[in-house]
Amino acid sequence: EPEVTQTPSHQVTQMGQEVILRCVPISNHLYFYWYRQILGQKVEFLVSFYNNEISEKSEIFDDQFSVERPDGSNFTLKIRSTKLEDSAMYFCASSDHGTRNTEAFFGQGTRLTVV
Amino acid sequence: GDSVTQMEGPVTLSEEAFLTINCTYTATGYPSLFWYVQYPGEGLQLLLKATKADDKGSNKGFEATYRKETTSFHLEKGSVQVSDSAVYFCALSRNQAGTALIFGKGTTLSVSS
Repeated sequence: EPEVTQTPSHQVTQMGQEVILRCVPISNHLYFYWYRQILGQKVEFLVSFYNNEISEKSEIFDDQFSVERPDGSNFTLKIRSTKLEDSAMYFCASSDHGTRNTEAFFGQGTRLTVV
Repeated sequence: GDSVTQMEGPVTLSEEAFLTINCTYTATGYPSLFWYVQYPGEGLQLLLKATKADDKGSNKGFEATYRKETTSFHLEKGSVQVSDSAVYFCALSRNQAGTALIFGKGTTLSVSS
């Protein structure tokens, strides 16, 4: 069964450093998403990406965040200068027609720890 | 703005007990509604969904009915198993292509034998 894969599973970084979280969405999907889950809190939407551009972003997704699809398979989230409060589980997801009528498939997540 | 409210957990049940996890939503228009499940150490998986009022989603013995009059989408299962122990998330999606899922806080279910 096709799946969304994320690497690494766990990343530890020092405050102020840049991190790149990587995702390989399901190959025929057109919509890509990043969500995060701070420990003990709800899953929060960060950004959606379609046709090589951001289609929607939340207020969490400020100038320190960026997304890119550098080739035909990867989808990355970059955090430019990490802060302690960026520590969270980051989930990548993909869907073929958007989440209204079709399922979003989620990866297993990358646990980011900022120290 | 749009939001989802779930009952607080954790919920602790014995095997074969009846499960209800309450979920209510606030949204403009007619959202689609979902339940996602997260088993320990895994990502989120779609459990069931409903895209219009009065639809019933069902999967693996779980059911939820889209109630527009009460803006609810409560999850039920008649007889839980130990393997159902997980975190359950209620979510909604607005009526736009590529739109985000808005999640509730999640409810942890623990089933003992």
